[in-house]
Amino acid sequence: SQTIHQWPATLVQPVGSPLSLECTVEGTSNPNLYWYRQAAGRGLQLLFYSVGIGQISSEVPQNLSASRPQDRQFILSSKKLLLSDSGFYLCAWNRGLVFGELFFGEGSRLTVL
Amino acid sequence: GQQVMQIPQYQHVQEGEDFTTYCNSSTTLSNIQWYKQRPGGHPVFLIQLVKSGEVKKQKRLTFQFGEAKKNSSLHITATQTTDVGTYFCAGENTGNQFYFGTGTSLTVIP
Repeated sequence: SQTIHQWPATLVQPVGSPLSLECTVEGTSNPNLYWYRQAAGRGLQLLFYSVGIGQISSEVPQNLSASRPQDRQFILSSKKLLLSDSGFYLCAWNRGLVFGELFFGEGSRLTVL
Repeated sequence: GQQVMQIPQYQHVQEGEDFTTYCNSSTTLSNIQWYKQRPGGHPVFLIQLVKSGEVKKQKRLTFQFGEAKKNSSLHITATQTTDVGTYFCAGENTGNQFYFGTGTSLTVIP
């Protein structure tokens, strides 16, 4: 069966510090991968999606970046965090088929102080 | 960019009352999906609608996709405390990109 792992689950970082969130998927190959951000009490904002290794599309301009060094690994990074980067970050995958449901990781809660 | 709006943002109901959330997209969608997020949790897939005018039911939940494929609704009959959570619609365009609605947070009062 397929599983998705996301870590760390919680982190508190000072403004200006770097960030690295990692997501891996097991049990499938060539998945589409997504990073979403959810601000407190808000909806999900699509940040990045990837249809293959090294292929990253960004939805919004920001100080975040994403990389896909391996087929089932998706990394969200920042060189210098801003207060506005606080939120709940969710990694998700789907099979890349037309009309495929999204499977979400448990999420990473980031607080920037 | 693509926008998907949901109303209401919050809904408080007495247990046993019905609940409806509405979803509207600024563009035509290839399909629409619905997710439920429990407090502190991650979104979990409920259902997908593909055809214009499609209606699907899951026990007390009824999902509809509009004729123009730009709006959708989720109706829960006789709510229970286990229905508590935030319900999101998500519209998919032709590029495998999913745009989530703003969500409706449902509180069920026992």
